Amino acid sequence: DVKLAQSGGGLVQPGGSLRLSCVASGFTFKSYAMNWVRQAPGQGLEWVSTITGGGDNTYYADSVKGRFTISRDDSKNTLYLHMSSLRVDDTAFYFCARPAPGYFEGSAYSFTEPFDHWGQGTLVAVSS
Amino acid sequence: DIVMTQSPDSLAVSLGERATINCKSSQSVLYSRNNKDYIAWYQQKPGQPPKLVIYWASTRESGVPNRFSGSGSGTDFTLTISSLQAEDVAVYYCQQYHSAPFTFGGGTKVEIK
Repeated sequence: DVKLAQSGGGLVQPGGSLRLSCVASGFTFKSYAMNWVRQAPGQGLEWVSTITGGGDNTYYADSVKGRFTISRDDSKNTLYLHMSSLRVDDTAFYFCARPAPGYFEGSAYSFTEPFDHWGQGTLVAVSS
Repeated sequence: DIVMTQSPDSLAVSLGERATINCKSSQSVLYSRNNKDYIAWYQQKPGQPPKLVIYWASTRESGVPNRFSGSGSGTDFTLTISSLQAEDVAVYYCQQYHSAPFTFGGGTKVEIK
């Protein structure tokens, strides 16, 4: 069974930093791109970032570019989101999400695939 | 960036009746090399992560009831629930995964009339 177990959320002051983790199991983690998606309380879904299988390429929403860093440790089957210079409008539930296995290219599956498995979400609250 | 526009924001449908949700992308999400539309639909219930319902615009995810169907191509897409059941009450989102940023529509809340 595919599982994505998230941790690392909490309350942080504006300007502070936080690191989210997403531990994967039940699939060959290194072969998959991974994503972060967030949802402000009562609001819609916002894609945040993607890292390709192997970590060669990363992509960010304009709203977080330069402040957030996505990374992965394939030896630990873990995805990270390092968040810095946090703002009140970063307050949201953060979900990690795995794309479906599409075509295999090089050493990993393509990253332009629908998100077929999601973590349970973790709340990041930015407030003074 | 591709902007995804969903309509309506909410709709109330009687049990057993049809629910239709629309999604429009600001540019085509059809990839000519494989002739696939890079559109997914997700269902989200309160307190839960989203669940994939439809992908490639019209392919049902495994385990999703066949009352859910997706249609459309290019820039205009539709999610249809043919006979609404109580367990279908949720917010539904479309998403394009053609190119980053992988944008979502604003969501449509489906309720029972």
